[in-house]
Formats: sequence, C-alpha cells, structure tokens
Amino acid sequence: GEDVEQSLFLSVREGDSSVINCTYTDSSSTYLYWYKQEPGAGLQLLTYIFSNMDMKQDQRLTVLLNKKDKHLSLRIADTQTGDSAIYFCAERLNSGNTPLVFGKGTRLSVIA
Amino acid sequence: DTEVTQTPKHLVMGMTNKKSLKCEQHMGHRAMYWYKQKAKKPPELMFVYSYEKLSINESVPSRFSPECPNSSLLNLHLHALQPEDSALYLCASSQAAVAKNIQYFGAGTRLSVL
Repeated sequence: GEDVEQSLFLSVREGDSSVINCTYTDSSSTYLYWYKQEPGAGLQLLTYIFSNMDMKQDQRLTVLLNKKDKHLSLRIADTQTGDSAIYFCAERLNSGNTPLVFGKGTRLSVIA
Repeated sequence: DTEVTQTPKHLVMGMTNKKSLKCEQHMGHRAMYWYKQKAKKPPELMFVYSYEKLSINESVPSRFSPECPNSSLLNLHLHALQPEDSALYLCASSQAAVAKNIQYFGAGTRLSVL
C-alpha cells in the first residue's frame, strides 16, 4: 500500500533556503505533488513531478526526486515570512481512479 | 482560472439540524471530490464524483450524503451529525479522475457541530 512520510516541523531564518523532505513507498509509476496550506485556508498546489523526472524548477521552488531511495524534496530559495505554512507531500498512482495519498504535513516556520 | 468556490466559509449546527455544503467550479472539470480535514492532520478523502456519478465512497457514514446535480456543482448534505464531525471540509476538482490531472482545492468550509 501507499504511505507518505514527512518530518513534522522545520524552522528557518528569513532569506535562508528551506528544504522539506518526503519519502513514499510505492514503486509504481506515480505523480508526486506539493501543496501549501496557510492557517484556516484550503490547499494551494505549488508544484508536481512525475516519477520519470529527476528535477523540476519553478522560480524559487526546486523539486528533487530520488527514485532509488523513493525520496522527494522541496527546496524554497530565499525563504520569506509569507512562506510560513504547512506543506503537504502527496502521491497518486498513475493507474485508474486511485486516491491522492497525503503525508502528515511539515509545518514551516520562518523567523524574521 | 483555477478557482473552486465553497460556501459557506463557516457553519455551526446542532446535532439535529440538516444543512448543506456547496462547491462550485467553472473550469470544465469532470471529477469532483470531498475531503475532511481535522486539525493538524492531512485531508482524508470522503467521496469522488466522475462525470456526475459517484465513483468512490470511502466508507463514509450515511449522515453525510453527497450530490452532484451537474458538472459544475457538488453538494454535501449533512444530517444528524456528531461533535466529532467538526472539521474543515474541502472540495476539489480535476479534469478527470486520473492521476495526471491536478486536483485544485477550495478554501473549505469550517464546520462546528454542537
């Protein structure tokens, strides 16, 4: 079965880079997503990567995928106070109508 | 436009009340989802509609009754809820109910059951 694991907390100083890590268990072809949730709000899609890719970059965001170790990371460059939120890693198998499986979320705190 | 609109934003109801949550999207998406999110937890899937037909029900109690009247609208009818049903209810939509189609989420309805 699918299982997605994340560390629960990360604290960084404003201007530094943040790296949020995620591991997943399913080795099938899969889509992997990063969502951001601010307090009291819904989920905002940040970026996604398919399991045949190694890296994806979008402005301040860089996603790295290590398929051998089933490890996904999200790097936020020049972290700002507005980046403080919970970041969810999610996995979805590329097979039929399968559900999106979320990790428990990493709470990022940015210190000014 | 990737907007999913949910109403109301907040809802307080008693255990004997009947209420409905509404979700709307105008992106032409044919898959719509209801999730429940408790505090400090990830979202949990409740229901999936694909082309206006219920395709997944994750063993949700019958006091929650989903309805998809057309391709743009998704409702969740609530009846005889329990205090433990208090949570953030999130709606999402995607082009189709397959993995490569991104799910876009609404801001949620925060439900309190007294």
